[in-house]
Amino acid sequence: EDQVTQSPEALRLQEGESSSLNCSYTVSGLRGLFWYRQDPGKGPEFLFTLYSAGEEKEKERLKATLTKKESFLHITAPKPEDSATYLCVTQGGSEKLVFGKGTKLTVNP
Amino acid sequence: AAGVIQSPRHLIKEKRETATLKCYPIPRHDTVYWYQQGPGQDPQFLISFYEKMQSDKGSIPDRFSAQQFSDYHSELNMSSLELGDSALYFCASSSRVRGENQPQHFGDGTRLSIL
Repeated sequence: EDQVTQSPEALRLQEGESSSLNCSYTVSGLRGLFWYRQDPGKGPEFLFTLYSAGEEKEKERLKATLTKKESFLHITAPKPEDSATYLCVTQGGSEKLVFGKGTKLTVNP
Repeated sequence: AAGVIQSPRHLIKEKRETATLKCYPIPRHDTVYWYQQGPGQDPQFLISFYEKMQSDKGSIPDRFSAQQFSDYHSELNMSSLELGDSALYFCASSSRVRGENQPQHFGDGTRLSIL
């Protein structure tokens, strides 16, 4: 069975304190790994798609990387507005997405 | 850029009533997905449609049905509502491009509360 495990469950950072979120996955025939950001009461907002090991994507203070077993979301010099729950989601042989439980990030000013 | 539009944003119903949720996908997106998210839970896949035909089915109760119309909007019909149906219902859309999995883009959801 496909599984996605995210760590830590929650992370508190000071503004400007860089860190990384981890996503470990076991998926049959990975077709894509997606990172989303979700704010309370809102739908997941798409951030990145990664398709193969070694691939990297960047957007502002965020950088996503992918290996054969893990993906990392690196946050450089975060700001309070980066506070949200970050979801790692995989898609294997079917169209169904498998969601991680998310990492709740809080960035204090 | 246009996003996925869901209506209504909030809906309050009583047990045994019916409800209809609507979803308008991003223009030129041909696939629609429905998810249910309980408090503190990750979204659970219910059902999906591609080009107006059901393409996959997840944990959708028999009391629920859905369809995609000719303009690609979709409706989730829920009958005999139960307290446990209270949740956030998301719609997502994507387009099928050969050779690459396109990400699903989510709406902001309909919060359904059953009294």
